[in-house]
Amino acid sequence: QKEVEQDPGPLSVPEGAIVSLNCTYSNSAFQYFMWYRQYSRKGPELLMYTYSSGNKEDGRFTAQVDKSSKYISLFIRDSQPSDSATYLCAMSFLNTGNQFYFGTGTSLTVIP
Amino acid sequence: DAGITQSPRHKVTETGTPVTLRCHQTENHRYMYWYRQDPGHGLRLIHYSYGVKDTDKGEVSDGYSVSRSKTEDFLLTLESATSSQTSVYFCAITASGNTIYFGEGSWLTVV
Repeated sequence: QKEVEQDPGPLSVPEGAIVSLNCTYSNSAFQYFMWYRQYSRKGPELLMYTYSSGNKEDGRFTAQVDKSSKYISLFIRDSQPSDSATYLCAMSFLNTGNQFYFGTGTSLTVIP
Repeated sequence: DAGITQSPRHKVTETGTPVTLRCHQTENHRYMYWYRQDPGHGLRLIHYSYGVKDTDKGEVSDGYSVSRSKTEDFLLTLESATSSQTSVYFCAITASGNTIYFGEGSWLTVV
């Protein structure tokens, strides 16, 4: 079983829709949760990170962590064609310099 | 922008030739990483460094070596390139210790 599971999609939505992207994980010791956006032929760009449980909001993006269910989500409100990209989740432990665990990414297309 | 520069950005090389990819950072971060990204596998750690001359292997280190003689530079070497090493390679750093930032990638094709 992989440490982090992410549905690869592809996911296709109309412009303006609310998008929900999700990852599940198996190790309850993860404390930091990250979401990355990766455009085609570019490097992953850190969108948001959350420590432990709860929600974090940044503009149209909301990151949510449910540690009891080992489940994290990224919500995108009022989705735009410019949101079309692959979204990766990542996790790490507290005070570690080298151990990051990544989902394989979900491909999202927002149709104008 | 995490101040990471990778070179070359694109390279085509022949099987059996040595290849070196360079990662340069401008902000004195202690930890540096090399990942490769392939369809269906996602990001996989090749090697990482936790200081000058301090390196360790990741999950897919076979066929790769690294060196870090200066804080700002982390080199990845394919001693004898094979077609299975055709991939995109990302250098990364950790800033706060719990988030990781990536460079723009180096696309390598081994023919």
